[in-house]
Amino acid sequence: DSGVTQTPKHLITATGQRVTLRCSPRSGDLSVYWYQQSLDQGLQFLIQYYNGEERAKGNILERFSAQQFPDLHSELNLSSLELGDSALYFCASSEGSNYNEQFFGPGTRLTVL
Amino acid sequence: GQQLNQSPQSMFIQEGEDVSMNCTSSSIFNTWLWYKQDPGEGPVLLIALYKAGELTSNGRLTAQFGITRKDSFLNISASIPSDVGIYFCAGIPGGYQKVTFGTGTKLQVIP
Repeated sequence: DSGVTQTPKHLITATGQRVTLRCSPRSGDLSVYWYQQSLDQGLQFLIQYYNGEERAKGNILERFSAQQFPDLHSELNLSSLELGDSALYFCASSEGSNYNEQFFGPGTRLTVL
Repeated sequence: GQQLNQSPQSMFIQEGEDVSMNCTSSSIFNTWLWYKQDPGEGPVLLIALYKAGELTSNGRLTAQFGITRKDSFLNISASIPSDVGIYFCAGIPGGYQKVTFGTGTKLQVIP
């Protein structure tokens, strides 16, 4: 158990819908990272928040957005969902703002029908 | 998105055998990380490397940071069935730059 929690574990929805994925970092970690893992694209970095502020952006679509709240939990919002958005979405956290030694959550499996 | 090249892509080995896999890039990295992912789970950090030439062990696992800083290697000695999973390398150019993950090596261990 990494100490990072993600909810829900599974999510099934339809195209065009909007969903919110939630992540709670390890106690004491200030950074939260979001990743998308699909069969054909591997593990792709989406976005990082550090202590409530956006720190870095990766391959995140404009239809996706995220935020980190004062209690340091984070939410990833996915809107206008397409079939290709079906993937595992992982949250990771680290103590500092650099990428070393991130700890990953169990992931949310999103299926868009 | 950019990814590191890992090889082999997959491998089947007998229990007890040693395993080697590597990760190569056209770019220089200042940090290399190796993760293992079990089916349906998130990646778990195995080893972190911070200096060119560094050799670090974690039990039966040994990883090396290549001298050119463009590659890294992971060895698993005396494999056991619970070594099954996907192994990912990850490289960080430096400072607060973004991490890039490898394409993964899927390991199957035959008892």
